[in-house]
Amino acid sequence: GAVVSQHPSWVICKSGTSVKIECRSLDFQATTMFWYRQFPKQSLMLMATSNEGSKATYEQGVEKDKFLINHASLTLSTLTVTSAHPEDSSFYICSAIGGPYNEQFFGPGTRLTVL
Amino acid sequence: EDKVVQSPLSLVVHEGDTVTLNCSYEVTNFRSLLWYKQEKKAPTFLFMLTSSGIEKKSGRLSSILDKKELFSILNITATQTGDSAIYLCAVEVSGTYKYIFGTGTRLKVLA
Repeated sequence: GAVVSQHPSWVICKSGTSVKIECRSLDFQATTMFWYRQFPKQSLMLMATSNEGSKATYEQGVEKDKFLINHASLTLSTLTVTSAHPEDSSFYICSAIGGPYNEQFFGPGTRLTVL
Repeated sequence: EDKVVQSPLSLVVHEGDTVTLNCSYEVTNFRSLLWYKQEKKAPTFLFMLTSSGIEKKSGRLSSILDKKELFSILNITATQTGDSAIYLCAVEVSGTYKYIFGTGTRLKVLA
């Protein structure tokens, strides 16, 4: 089946630094990718829709200047958490649309801890 | 506002028990309903339902959708400790590929 990877798997950073998370579709091209955020014991919350070659579409309440999304190619989307703070600590999961039935395939997630 | 609600939020059972997880939705442009199992990392796909009344089955798991009453159930029979996980229900919005996830049900199966 289709594979989506994320890098890094986990990251610990100091408050005030920026962190970049990559999401790659390994064996298919994805014109659309999604970024989700999950707090402990909570469900996935959609943050934004990432479209190749155009600006991301952010969900209500998600700061686009805080969470920069770049979908530079058909196989790569990046999420940059700028000036990270402890409240940004979370599990970030991407997904990509692909395959003959336009299914959604999830990446393994990135756990971000901001000290 | 589109929303997906799951119940119960949390459930503890013993091995061998049967459980039923519920998912109700209010989504303007429904395309499909999906069930996922989430353990430590990203969700893994279980079922996709698009038509009412047709049961999907995989081993001890089964699911059915009622598009008139806007809900779905996920049944797990003869539960095992390996079934312990968060079960997520998501509704795909037609024309967008967007998924709206429910609150999740945390299932714990005791030996």
